[in-house]
Amino acid sequence: AQKVTQAQTEISVVEKEDVTLDCVYETRDTTYYLFWYKQPPSGELVFLIRRNSFDEQNEISGRYSWNFQKSTSSFNFTITASQVVDSAVYFCALARRWGNEKLTFGTGTRLTIIP
Amino acid sequence: SQTIHQWPATLVQPVGSPLSLECTVEGTSNPNLYWYRQAAGRGLQLLFYSVGIGQISSEVPQNLSASRPQDRQFILSSKKLLLSDSGFYLCAWGQGHYEQYFGPGTRLTVT
Repeated sequence: AQKVTQAQTEISVVEKEDVTLDCVYETRDTTYYLFWYKQPPSGELVFLIRRNSFDEQNEISGRYSWNFQKSTSSFNFTITASQVVDSAVYFCALARRWGNEKLTFGTGTRLTIIP
Repeated sequence: SQTIHQWPATLVQPVGSPLSLECTVEGTSNPNLYWYRQAAGRGLQLLFYSVGIGQISSEVPQNLSASRPQDRQFILSSKKLLLSDSGFYLCAWGQGHYEQYFGPGTRLTVT
């Protein structure tokens, strides 16, 4: 069975601080996909990134960066120089490479950026 | 580009009343379609998914049902709503094992 754990339920940081959201996953598959989604107060989930399990390169997109470490089954998300617009609930998710098309979501981390 | 629509945006229904939520996707063909529910302050629960017309897989036993009458249309229904059906309902589409794209959601309050 697959499982995604986001141990941080809520995080608050002051604007311009860096913040890291943790994601730990469990799977027996050797090939899989990992995702991050953002859910702003409006409610719609916004896709941020997909990472294939065979590609452990870290990725940077503007103020966002992702650290994928297969050895520790983690896929952490860092926001640099946080802004108020980053306030949202962030979900990490896992999908199998073979067998079905379902995503297993973590329970989410509510991030509040304090101006 | 692809677009996903959901309606209504908000809905208040009494206990025991029927429900019909609709989701349509534009700009793609033969997508996988998904219904999720999110209770207040909680994570996402997958309710149904469909890989083709008339093909529905149920994830959670409940008084809800889903149908896919057309390739890009996905409907969530109930004959009699329960208080526990309140929540935020999200429709999503995807293809293969890649990311899913979500609609704006429907906030359902059962009174």
